[in-house]
Amino acid sequence: AQSVTQLGSHVSVSEGALVLLRCNYSSSVPPYLFWYVQYPNQGLQLLLKYTSAATLVKGINGFEAEFKKSETSFHLTKPSAHMSDAAEYFCAVSWMDSSYKLIFGSGTRLLVRP
Amino acid sequence: AAGVIQSPRHLIKEKRETATLKCYPIPRHDTVYWYQQGPGQDPQFLISFYEKMQSDKGSIPDRFSAQQFSDYHSELNMSSLELGDSALYFCASSFRDIYSNTEAFFGQGTRLTVV
Repeated sequence: AQSVTQLGSHVSVSEGALVLLRCNYSSSVPPYLFWYVQYPNQGLQLLLKYTSAATLVKGINGFEAEFKKSETSFHLTKPSAHMSDAAEYFCAVSWMDSSYKLIFGSGTRLLVRP
Repeated sequence: AAGVIQSPRHLIKEKRETATLKCYPIPRHDTVYWYQQGPGQDPQFLISFYEKMQSDKGSIPDRFSAQQFSDYHSELNMSSLELGDSALYFCASSFRDIYSNTEAFFGQGTRLTVV
């Protein structure tokens, strides 16, 4: 069965430090991969997506992610954290043969210390 | 740019009542998805529609039903509400052609509180 695992329910970094949020997937067919951000009481905003083109994907707000098939990973990074990056981040996968519905990971709450 | 519109934004209902949540997709989007996000949980897929036909079904209780209308808006009907139905309900829309599917764009959600 396809699934998504996000390692670490909470990640805390200092402002200006590297952000690394981990996501691994399990799939028997090539997936589409996404990172969404959710601010408190808000909807889900797409940060970036991988759809079988370039393996290094650049998104909004300085985030990027690299698809590594051999590691079944799609980790999210940002070189320098900003206070405004504090939010909940969800990794998600979808598949063409599964009506493209999104399967979400359990989420990682990013805390940014001043 | 137009986004996904959900109404109402907040809804308070008593146990055993019914609720109807509405979703207006982005213009020209033909696919609608419904998700339920409980407190501190990740969003869970409920049901989806493509071109007004149900295309997939997830962990949606039998007490819930949904449909997509001719103008592509969708409604999620929830009956015999239970305390456990309290959650944030998201609608998302996308455009699907024979080759691929655009990413799903999410609405701001409807927060349902059952008391």
